[in-house]
Amino acid sequence: AQSVTQLDSHVSVSEGTPVLLRCNYSSSYSPSLFWYVQHPNKGLQLLLKYTSAATLVKGINGFEAEFKKSETSFHLTKPSAHMSDAAEYFCVVSGGMEYGNKLVFGAGTILRVKS
Amino acid sequence: DVKVTQSSRYLVKRTGEKVFLECVQDMDHENMFWYRQDPGLGLRLIYFSYDVKMKEKGDIPEGYSVSREKKERFSLILESASTNQTSMYLCASRRETGTGNQPQHFGDGTRLSIL
Repeated sequence: AQSVTQLDSHVSVSEGTPVLLRCNYSSSYSPSLFWYVQHPNKGLQLLLKYTSAATLVKGINGFEAEFKKSETSFHLTKPSAHMSDAAEYFCVVSGGMEYGNKLVFGAGTILRVKS
Repeated sequence: DVKVTQSSRYLVKRTGEKVFLECVQDMDHENMFWYRQDPGLGLRLIYFSYDVKMKEKGDIPEGYSVSREKKERFSLILESASTNQTSMYLCASRRETGTGNQPQHFGDGTRLSIL
């Protein structure tokens, strides 16, 4: 079955410390993977995407994610959190034989950044 | 940059009214989508359109219809609004490649309240 699991519903970090938001997906093939961010009362903004090129993907605002096929994971990281990173983050899967044109969204992870 | 514009940020309507939500994109994208977002339920796909005059039901189409007469515009219609349709509505567009590997670009959303 198609699924995307974001392992933490809430993550809290201090400003200046690393961020790790975890995502696992189910797939027998290599789908396309995306991370989006949503600030309060705004739409979703694309942070980065993986589409079968380099496994380490760099995105906007210092975020990056590593595709690990053996672990079916696509975790999002940032070396140093900033207050403006506080938002909700969505891991999304698409493409491949199982997903086709459909986007499947994870449930979201709310990131809180403490000063 | 892709621009997806939703006509209203906030909208208040009464039960039984016919409600129109409008979405326009400026990148000549073939695909357009309507989602609703509710706390604890994430994003759910209502309808999508592969191209002009084409539409397909998503996961929760009941109580909604759509119209795509021009490539840049995708309208969501609540035929007879009910209080359980109070939600945040998000429109998105995407370039069609046949592989599902392109990201969707989102508008800022319309927060609709049905009284």
